Amino acid sequence: KQEVTQIPAALSVPEGENLVLNCSFTDSAIYNLQWFRQDPGKGLTSLLLIQSSQREQTSGRLNASLDKSSGRSTLYIAASQPGDSATYLCAVDPQGGSEKLVFGKGTKLTVNP
Amino acid sequence: DAGITQSPRHKVTETGTPVTLRCHQTENHRYMYWYRQDPGHGLRLIHYSYGVKDTDKGEVSDGYSVSRSKTEDFLLTLESATSSQTSVYFCAISEAAYEQYFGPGTRLTVT
Repeated sequence: KQEVTQIPAALSVPEGENLVLNCSFTDSAIYNLQWFRQDPGKGLTSLLLIQSSQREQTSGRLNASLDKSSGRSTLYIAASQPGDSATYLCAVDPQGGSEKLVFGKGTKLTVNP
Repeated sequence: DAGITQSPRHKVTETGTPVTLRCHQTENHRYMYWYRQDPGHGLRLIHYSYGVKDTDKGEVSDGYSVSRSKTEDFLLTLESATSSQTSVYFCAISEAAYEQYFGPGTRLTVT
């Protein structure tokens, strides 16, 4: 059974710092991996999707990498801002049908002004 | 933002009563999903649909049923609500094996 782990559960950094959020998964046979952001009391916002054949995706200050063989993905946030404060979740698609994403429990990020 | 709405956004109900949550999309996406989010458990899939009248169970489907009679609507019914079903419920949509887009959520409290 695929399991997704995100460590640490919470992270607090000063504004301007570059940071890395981690996601690990137990079964390397994934179709894709998706990173989401969730603000308090809100739904999830899709940030980046990496197909299994890709090694990274970039969107603005965000860069997500994928290493299937080691079962790891990282989300790099450059020059963090207080508006980046949120919970970040990763999810893997183990089958290619997108119907059974397996989610991590998230990392709660606080960026202090 | 993807055109996904959920109704109601908040609901308080009593144990034993039936409850129906609605998810409506304007994106014409094929797949629709219902998740629940609970502290310590994260997001868990309840049911999903891969087309009109085509549905399947997820990880935590006991006590829930779904229906999809139109592409744009996906209903989640709690047949007899229990306190363990107090949660935040999210609907999501996707087109084939691509990104999932989430609705704003429904906070359900069962007293």
